[in-house]
Amino acid sequence: GESVGLHLPTLSVQEGDNSIINCAYSNSASDYFIWYKQESGKGPQFIIDIRSNMDKRQGQRVTVLLNKTVKHLSLQIAATQPGDSAVYFCAEEANQAGTALIFGKGTTLSVSS
Amino acid sequence: EPEVTQTPSHQVTQMGQEVILRCVPISNHLYFYWYRQILGQKVEFLVSFYNNEISEKSEIFDDQFSVERPDGSNFTLKIRSTKLEDSAMYFCASSDAGGAKYFGPGTRLTVT
Repeated sequence: GESVGLHLPTLSVQEGDNSIINCAYSNSASDYFIWYKQESGKGPQFIIDIRSNMDKRQGQRVTVLLNKTVKHLSLQIAATQPGDSAVYFCAEEANQAGTALIFGKGTTLSVSS
Repeated sequence: EPEVTQTPSHQVTQMGQEVILRCVPISNHLYFYWYRQILGQKVEFLVSFYNNEISEKSEIFDDQFSVERPDGSNFTLKIRSTKLEDSAMYFCASSDAGGAKYFGPGTRLTVT
């Protein structure tokens, strides 16, 4: 069965707004989480990652929040731009090199200007 | 910035034919992976490879599939006898120990 999923298949925002994309995971053994962005016809592009010993990590315009109590992961994008339009996947794995990365279904973010 | 590359970008083959998809992982990475994505669906794990052997594989990766690191730079996925349902985007990825997996641009495989 699927161990990682996203709450909403689509999200539409206005340029300049902040976006929040959510993800729920069910595998308690997972301790490493990654957000990927996938544009049409391209491979998944690494955005940001977080390990289970953290609850927040910030990058450039992006923040990932991890709530292990409710097995919830979110990606926040500040000042969303049209170039952010893509499908966003969360993915999880056990913290062991070489193990499988399990992807959720993806949320399509549409940014209108 | 180093990146994973894949060739060809698009492969069309007839059912029953063998195909080889090629990847050049990031040069200092030691772990290599193949994933696939059927159109409109999520990315699915196929296999991971380390130290010249398979370290993990999924149910999808049956006897029709094989992987090889023929030299110090290439990593290949072979499908011996393609089926219509093998049509998908195939992504190669690589990582260092415990690090994030970086994906290539993919090969679109179309089986007719």
